[in-house]
Amino acid sequence: NAGVTQTPKFQVLKTGQSMTLQCAQDMNHNSMYWYRQDPGMGLRLIYYSASEGTTDKGEVPNGYNVSRLNKREFSLRLESAAPSQTSVYFCASKKKDEQYFGPGTRLTVT
Amino acid sequence: EDQVTQSPEALRLQEGESSSLNCSYTVSGLRGLFWYRQDPGKGPEFLFTLYSAGEEKEKERLKATLTKKESFLHITAPKPEDSATYLCAVQSRGGSQGNLIFGKGTKLSVKP
Repeated sequence: NAGVTQTPKFQVLKTGQSMTLQCAQDMNHNSMYWYRQDPGMGLRLIYYSASEGTTDKGEVPNGYNVSRLNKREFSLRLESAAPSQTSVYFCASKKKDEQYFGPGTRLTVT
Repeated sequence: EDQVTQSPEALRLQEGESSSLNCSYTVSGLRGLFWYRQDPGKGPEFLFTLYSAGEEKEKERLKATLTKKESFLHITAPKPEDSATYLCAVQSRGGSQGNLIFGKGTKLSVKP
């Protein structure tokens, strides 16, 4: 039982490049989330998916898109990366009221 | 606007020196308050959920308490392995689909 997994662990992009961050959970949870964590800012919600086939914007959605591929997988896409998107990205899934986090992806945009 | 403030930002303790971390919140109807532990380079790890004022939860050397305005995470006789950043988050009754509002965290260092 791996919990929440994320790939890649590290990524360096140049401004304007695109990439997709992958997230998968094996706990059969309906709800999944994408956060970013920046120094001095705390965790901020980018997008969430309450169930397969639905997605909604969170606090900081600009510059991102998401896909809930199936119940297990929830991906985050940066279409044209900007230096302001340099951050650590966490995926989470929810059981009842409790969210369980993956290990994170550290993204640097130069 | 829902808000979470944690204090202090950083706390240094000697091994065995008990202390408390504070999480004050303003929220339009509290559904739940959550404590997480985060080690460097890792994702947050769930510790506790508190739902109503007066509620307490314990796990090893940690005890979380809740009032109508704040929560405390009490650490009794801490050990170096308790060193981590502790995050507090709230979920409001009006919030969408369990969305959490996080504080900035308290970085705890316990020296042997």
